[in-house]
Amino acid sequence: DADVTQTPRNRITKTGKRIMLECSQTKGHDRMYWYRQDPGLGLRLIYYSFDVKDINKGEISDGYSVSRQAQAKFSLSLESAIPNQTALYFCATSDRTWGDTQYFGPGTRLTVL
Amino acid sequence: TQLLEQSPQFLSIQEGENLTVYCNSSSVFSSLQWYRQEPGEGPVLLVTVVTGGEVKKLKRLTFQFGDARKDSSLHITAAQPGDTGLYLCAGKLTGNTPLVFGKGTRLSVIA
Repeated sequence: DADVTQTPRNRITKTGKRIMLECSQTKGHDRMYWYRQDPGLGLRLIYYSFDVKDINKGEISDGYSVSRQAQAKFSLSLESAIPNQTALYFCATSDRTWGDTQYFGPGTRLTVL
Repeated sequence: TQLLEQSPQFLSIQEGENLTVYCNSSSVFSSLQWYRQEPGEGPVLLVTVVTGGEVKKLKRLTFQFGDARKDSSLHITAAQPGDTGLYLCAGKLTGNTPLVFGKGTRLSVIA
């Protein structure tokens, strides 16, 4: 079984809808991240959490919110989706003792019409 | 301003050729990582370099960390179609901050 799982893997939605992307991990890492990937723009950090009680904004947090329900679960929400949020979204985990090496999930492809 | 600049952005070469991609910054990093991402998948770690001047080899891939720990390079010898993918560098700044990623180099190796 995959160490980092994301659901759904693909989602098509309409402008204005609320969307939640979920991430679960079995690696036992304290740190979790949400990234967005667009062609030519690389990986951009949306939010990160260094432990269950810690939530931090990343480079592009506007229009997004997160919830860290447990050590193993980190959800990303789009309260009112807009077309420029169409992108590939990745969840990742890391262990601070290994230089924060990132372990990525398989990604969620989100399309907002 | 991008903290980590990767070049070139795109590279298309013939099988058997050698290539080098670069990752540059004006900031000092405590460590630097290289990832490869294949279509439809998340990035996967290739190597971590932590000491200025360090050179690591992974089969046909050679990674170097600059003496001042501000830059790194990835050299591939005799590229193969299986090397095709997006190569990302990521740096760890001092302090309790997340990794900083470059925008990546998209490599295409043609048979």
